[in-house]
Amino acid sequence: DAKTTQPTSMDCAEGRAANLPCNHSTISGNEYVYWYRQIHSQGPQYIIHGLKNNETNEMASLIITEDRKSSTLILPHATLRDTAVYYCIVRSSGNTPLVFGKGTRLSVIA
Amino acid sequence: DAGVIQSPRHEVTEMGQEVTLRCKPISGHNSLFWYRQTMMRGLELLIYFNNNVPIDDSGMPEDRFSAKMPNASFSTLKIQPSEPRDSAVYFCASSSRMTGARQPQHFGDGTRLSIL
Repeated sequence: DAKTTQPTSMDCAEGRAANLPCNHSTISGNEYVYWYRQIHSQGPQYIIHGLKNNETNEMASLIITEDRKSSTLILPHATLRDTAVYYCIVRSSGNTPLVFGKGTRLSVIA
Repeated sequence: DAGVIQSPRHEVTEMGQEVTLRCKPISGHNSLFWYRQTMMRGLELLIYFNNNVPIDDSGMPEDRFSAKMPNASFSTLKIQPSEPRDSAVYFCASSSRMTGARQPQHFGDGTRLSIL
């Protein structure tokens, strides 16, 4: 699975959009981009995933560049409860294990 | 719907004792994963099963660790004998193997293990 690069940490004001970037320049054609987050003391929580089209669900939007070498997770109206570590993971098969990097620590500030 | 259920939530025991962690996957899921999280190494895979069969156990640190999945609704991770360096949070996750789909993994709340 391709390697991903994320900023170590980010801050976001409450109520504003949080835009979390991820680089995956070595991604191959059959690899999906997944986003998970981990709120303190809890298990990782699935957020969203995509292949090449932009995706949106009740939690977030995922924007994937046309060359698929990078993506952005957007939380449209961040709340204090969105404070967590966000992991961007590239994965080729639906049932292979997840390989977690260090993720981005997002702090939502009142 | 019930999520992945892990027990116990916390375990404190002395070095040398046997430790058994338990996991009940989401009903209908047929892939199960055991991960471990420490400050030093982050989240890392220990072992995973498809249809109750172990597929990859290369992440199991030593022979002291063993995992079983006797049926589709239950798995155990055992450490015998335990050592202080085994202290970590252990997560279980499950997913469905729907053909052609990219099914996300759903995680339990973990077992926080402390070996004194």
